Amino acid sequence: GNSVTQMEGPVTLSEEAFLTINCTYTATGYPSLFWYVQYPGEGLQLLLKATKADDKGSNKGFEATYRKETTSFHLEKGSVQVSDSAVYFCALENTGGFKTIFGAGTRLFVKA
Amino acid sequence: EAGVAQSPRYKIIEKRQSVAFWCNPISGHATLYWYQQILGQGPKLLIQFQNNGVVDDSQLPKDRFSAERLKGVDSTLKIQPAKLEDSAVYLCASSSSGTDYEQYFGPGTRLTVT
Repeated sequence: GNSVTQMEGPVTLSEEAFLTINCTYTATGYPSLFWYVQYPGEGLQLLLKATKADDKGSNKGFEATYRKETTSFHLEKGSVQVSDSAVYFCALENTGGFKTIFGAGTRLFVKA
Repeated sequence: EAGVAQSPRYKIIEKRQSVAFWCNPISGHATLYWYQQILGQGPKLLIQFQNNGVVDDSQLPKDRFSAERLKGVDSTLKIQPAKLEDSAVYLCASSSSGTDYEQYFGPGTRLTVT
């Protein structure tokens, strides 16, 4: 069945460091891929998405590229800020908008 | 635009008791989702509605969980009877139909079963 695997946390970085959170997936067909973020005390919100191979999603300085050949959708940011401290979830959705599957989440701590 | 509303925000019950959660999606959103998020894990889809019909309930423990979406708007999720392992945050989300399937999440209901 479909699944999402993301790197375990927590990840602790200093401000302005480079961030990578790895995400790989297993799926049949051509799923859409997402990164959601959950800030402390807030609900889940969409950070970025990509709907087909080689698409790059970007938002708030974060980027992720849909790599079908490596079944990956790694999240990157060139310079993190303290305000980026949150839990990040990688997710996939089957074609047609059915059955979203989330990874376990990666907690990011950014120190000033 | 108002977001997804959920109530209650917190609930503590004893095992074998019943509990119900309520969700009001964003106006006009045809698709509604209920997720269970156990501490330290990602959300797991329990049930997905398209208007008032069920699209997917394959991971809903139907012996104790039930959900309905009357008139294709509000939805309730019920657990009867609750078990200790049901302790989790229950998230409701909604999305519009069409090619943009972005889901908008509510704040969740944190359930503790003692």
